[in-house]
Amino acid sequence: GAVVSQHPSWVICKSGTSVKIECRSLDFQATTMFWYRQFPKQSLMLMATSNEGSKATYEQGVEKDKFLINHASLTLSTLTVTSAHPEDSSFYICSARDQRGAREQYFGPGTRLTVT
Amino acid sequence: GDSVTQMEGPVTLSEEAFLTINCTYTATGYPSLFWYVQYPGEGLQLLLKATKADDKGSNKGFEATYRKETTSFHLEKGSVQVSDSAVYFCALSDLNQAGTALIFGKGTTLSVSS
Repeated sequence: GAVVSQHPSWVICKSGTSVKIECRSLDFQATTMFWYRQFPKQSLMLMATSNEGSKATYEQGVEKDKFLINHASLTLSTLTVTSAHPEDSSFYICSARDQRGAREQYFGPGTRLTVT
Repeated sequence: GDSVTQMEGPVTLSEEAFLTINCTYTATGYPSLFWYVQYPGEGLQLLLKATKADDKGSNKGFEATYRKETTSFHLEKGSVQVSDSAVYFCALSDLNQAGTALIFGKGTTLSVSS
């Protein structure tokens, strides 16, 4: 099946710094990628929809200036958490929709962010 | 808007027991329905799906039938194994809309003991 990678798999950063998370579709092209956030023992909350070549669409309550999303190519989307704070610590998961066939979404393994 | 409701967990079973995890949905269109599984320390994996009413998705002994009349997509397995211990998420999406994300239920933790 299709593979989506995320990098890094985990990161620890100091409060006030910025962190970039990459999401790549390895064997298919994705004009649409999604970024989710998962709190411990809770479901995935959609943060934003990333569209190749255009601005991301953010869900209500998600600060677009804090969570910068760039989808510069058909295989890469990045999420940058700017001026991170401890409350931003979470598990961030991306998914990419395969434009071919059944248009399924494939998920990356997630990135664990800890802000100290 | 569209939403998914699944039974609260955790669900604790003995090996070889029968499993049911209830899932109901609310949708304005004609969504596809999914079950995803998240094993400890891993990412989400698609377990099974159904794209229209009365379809049955199945994989690894798990089954779920798309019931439009009851807006349900309950997950079942006849005999669970310890290796099935994981978090299970019910989800829906409109596959005909390219920009539509998956909408997830809250997840149900399954713990199977030997």
